[in-house]
Amino acid sequence: EPEVTQTPSHQVTQMGQEVILRCVPISNHLYFYWYRQILGQKVEFLVSFYNNEISEKSEIFDDQFSVERPDGSNFTLKIRSTKLEDSAMYFCASSAPDRGFYGYTFGSGTRLTVV
Amino acid sequence: ELKVEQNPLFLSMQEGKNYTIYCNYSTTSDRLYWYRQDPGKSLESLFVLLSNGAVKQEGRLMASLDTKARLSTLHITAAVHDLSATYFCAVVEGMEYGNKLVFGAGTILRVKS
Repeated sequence: EPEVTQTPSHQVTQMGQEVILRCVPISNHLYFYWYRQILGQKVEFLVSFYNNEISEKSEIFDDQFSVERPDGSNFTLKIRSTKLEDSAMYFCASSAPDRGFYGYTFGSGTRLTVV
Repeated sequence: ELKVEQNPLFLSMQEGKNYTIYCNYSTTSDRLYWYRQDPGKSLESLFVLLSNGAVKQEGRLMASLDTKARLSTLHITAAVHDLSATYFCAVVEGMEYGNKLVFGAGTILRVKS
C-alpha cells in the first residue's frame, strides 16, 4: 500500500536554529498538508498546498514557517528560527480526491524537540 | 469556523463491554474520518464516512454518520485490550475537494482485563 514518507523521524535542534522537515507524499496525490501535534494534545492544521501554492494556512503558520515542493516529489516544511513551543510531532499528509478516493494518508511523523 | 467535539475524552473500559464515542461538528460537511493513534505513532485510518446514513464496520468497531444531526458515533463491541489507543474523528471543512481536516480532541481508550 502506498505510503507517505517523512524524514527525519526525530530531530533535536537548538532554539533559534532553522529546521527543514521532509516529506514524500504518495506519487499521484494532488493535495498536501502539514499538521502538528503537541505532546498529548489534538492534531492541529498548519497548511495545505495544491498546484504548487499554499491553498490555506492556519494562524499557527506565521512568517517563521514556509513550505516548498522543490522537485515534484518532496514536500518540505521549514521553520526559520525555532522556538521552544515549536516542539511537537509534525505530520505530513496527502490526498487525492479522484475516482471515489477521498482518503487522507498521514506519514509516520517527525518528532521535533527544540532545546 | 468548523469546530469538532468528541466525548468522552477519556474512557476506561472492561474487556468484553460495549461503549460508544461521540463526535459532533458545528458546520455542514459530508465527509468524516476516524483515526486511531498508538502512543508516539502516526494516525491510522479506520473509517471514511462519505454520506448521510453511512455505516461502516471493521471487527469490533462500527462507525456511523448522521449529517443532519452533525454527529458521528464510533461503537466498540466486546472490547479487547488491543483496542487501547487514542481515537480521533476528523471532519472536512466545507464541501470542496482537498479542504483541510479539522480534528476533535481525541478519546483516550483504555481497555482493562
